[in-house]
This record gives sequence, structure tokens and C-alpha cells, in this order.
Amino acid sequence: AQTVTQSQPEMSVQEAETVTLSCTYDTSESDYYLFWYKQPPSRQMILVIRQEAYKQQNATENRFSVNFQKAAKSFSLKISDSQLGDAAMYFCAYKGNEKLTFGTGTRLTIIP
Amino acid sequence: DAGVIQSPRHEVTEMGQEVTLRCKPISGHNSLFWYRQTMMRGLELLIYFNNNVPIDDSGMPEDRFSAKMPNASFSTLKIQPSEPRDSAVYFCASSWTRRREQYFGPGTRLTVT
Repeated sequence: AQTVTQSQPEMSVQEAETVTLSCTYDTSESDYYLFWYKQPPSRQMILVIRQEAYKQQNATENRFSVNFQKAAKSFSLKISDSQLGDAAMYFCAYKGNEKLTFGTGTRLTIIP
Repeated sequence: DAGVIQSPRHEVTEMGQEVTLRCKPISGHNSLFWYRQTMMRGLELLIYFNNNVPIDDSGMPEDRFSAKMPNASFSTLKIQPSEPRDSAVYFCASSWTRRREQYFGPGTRLTVT
């Protein structure tokens, strides 16, 4: 079974600074997708960014980008120019042939 | 462009009562997923449907839980009878294939007293 590990239960960053959230996963599959979801206090699960495993280019969505290291099975999320609205739980997720597997989440606090 | 719609947003009920949660997936999506989120267990997949057919219900905790998808635009998750340990946030999500990204509804916060 696939596993997703987020080793940072909590992170904080100064507003306007950059922060990187870590995620590693374990799989024997070669074709899969990786996602980062954001869950603010409203509890809505919001898709932030996705990465197809077959693509070497790292995905980018505005201030959000990933560092995808397939051989190392690492998928970190970088948030640039952090804003107060970025405060949330961030979940890394893996999707192969089986169900979507989530990490335990990282709570991100933005310091004004 | 409406996202996944869930109702009710909040439900408070007494132990033993029947609870029905509703979900309308994004139009055009053919896969639908029900999740439960608690502090202790995180996000758990309960069941998912592909083209209205239940594919994997191994996450359904007990026979008290049942889910249906009578058509492509509607699904229900029913708990009968409800118990306090069922208190959680229940999410519905949909995707256009079961392998792609899932879009979540706002969730239903269920409290069973």
C-alpha cells in the first residue's frame, strides 16, 4: 500500500516570506499523480496544485510551486510571498491505481 | 461554475436517529467519493462510485452506513442508526476519472448527541 508522510506537523512563516512544506511517499507504481490540498478554517478542501509523475517539469500555480524528485519520492510545496490567507492545514496526497492517500497534514501559520 | 454541493452543512441529531447526507457532484464528473474526517483518524475514504456504480465500499465502517448514487448528479450517504462516534465532517468529492484530481464539497459537520 502507498504511504504519504508529512514530517512537519506545524510550520510558521513571516508574511511575504517563502516557506517550503515537505512530503515524501512510498510506492512501487510508475504512473501516479501527486497533489497538495489546502484546508483553511472553513474546512473546505481546496486543490492547490497537482503533478503527474511522468512529467519532469515541476508544476507551478502562481505563488505555489512544487519540487518533485521522483527518484527520491519527494514532493515539496513552496509558497512564495506568503499571505495571511495562506494560513491553513496543507495535505499532500498520492493517487495511483488505488485510493487517494493523504498525509497527516502540516498546519501553516502566517505571522503578520 | 458550481463546485460539489453538499447538504446539509451542519447536522445535529440524537443517537439512534437516521441521518442522510446529500451530494451533487460537478457536472460531467463520473467518479464520486465519500470521505470522513476526524481528528483521530484524519481523512478516510468510505466509498467511491464510478459511473454511478459502487466500486469500493471497504471503508464503510459498519452496516449502519449505506450509500447510493441513483443518477450521475446525486448521491446520498445514510447512517441508521446514528451513534455519537459517527460525529465527524463528511466530505463528498468528484473527479472526471477515478485517477485524476478530486474536487471536494464544503463538507457536512455531523454531531450525534
